[in-house]
Amino acid sequence: DAKTTQPTSMDCAEGRAANLPCNHSTISGNEYVYWYRQIHSQGPQYIIHGLKNNETNEMASLIITEDRKSSTLILPHATLRDTAVYYCIVYAGKSTFGDGTTLTVKP
Amino acid sequence: NAGVMQNPRHLVRRRGQEARLRCSPMKGHSHVYWYRQLPEEGLKFMVYLQKENIIDESGMPKERFSAEFPKEGPSILRIQQVVRGDSAAYFCASSLRGAPDTDTQYFGPGTRLTVL
Repeated sequence: DAKTTQPTSMDCAEGRAANLPCNHSTISGNEYVYWYRQIHSQGPQYIIHGLKNNETNEMASLIITEDRKSSTLILPHATLRDTAVYYCIVYAGKSTFGDGTTLTVKP
Repeated sequence: NAGVMQNPRHLVRRRGQEARLRCSPMKGHSHVYWYRQLPEEGLKFMVYLQKENIIDESGMPKERFSAEFPKEGPSILRIQQVVRGDSAAYFCASSLRGAPDTDTQYFGPGTRLTVL
């Protein structure tokens, strides 16, 4: 499984866009990029995933570089409830979660 | 459609006892994954099961831990002779498809195990 690198923590002002980067330089051709988040100590929540193309859903947008070695999760209008640990993972069957990025949305 | 169910939500055991954690996947899902999260750490993969089969147990400790996913009923993660270091949150996830296809995993609320 490809490993990912994410910043340990980030801050974002409420109402602004939160851009969370992820490096996955060893990703292979059949591995998807997935994003999950974990609010406090709850079970992880699926956000979005993609293979090559950029993706958007009601929660977020996912931008994947053309070489697929990195991606960015965008929360367009962050709210206080978006404060969580965000995990970027790549896998084709088995997930390996790193330490993620702790996003703190501030008023 | 009910989500992934885990019970109990909290479990307290004394050292040396057995812990049994149960996971009912989402309806229609036949792939189950177990993860462990130690305090202040990320999720660590333990085992991946399909109905009646263990597909990948590379993250399972070699001793005292076992998992099953019978044809009928929930998946069970069993920890024998628990020690204090087993205290953690154990999360279960299920998916519609599994390896080699990629599919979204949906997580349960977790079971918090405390070993006294």
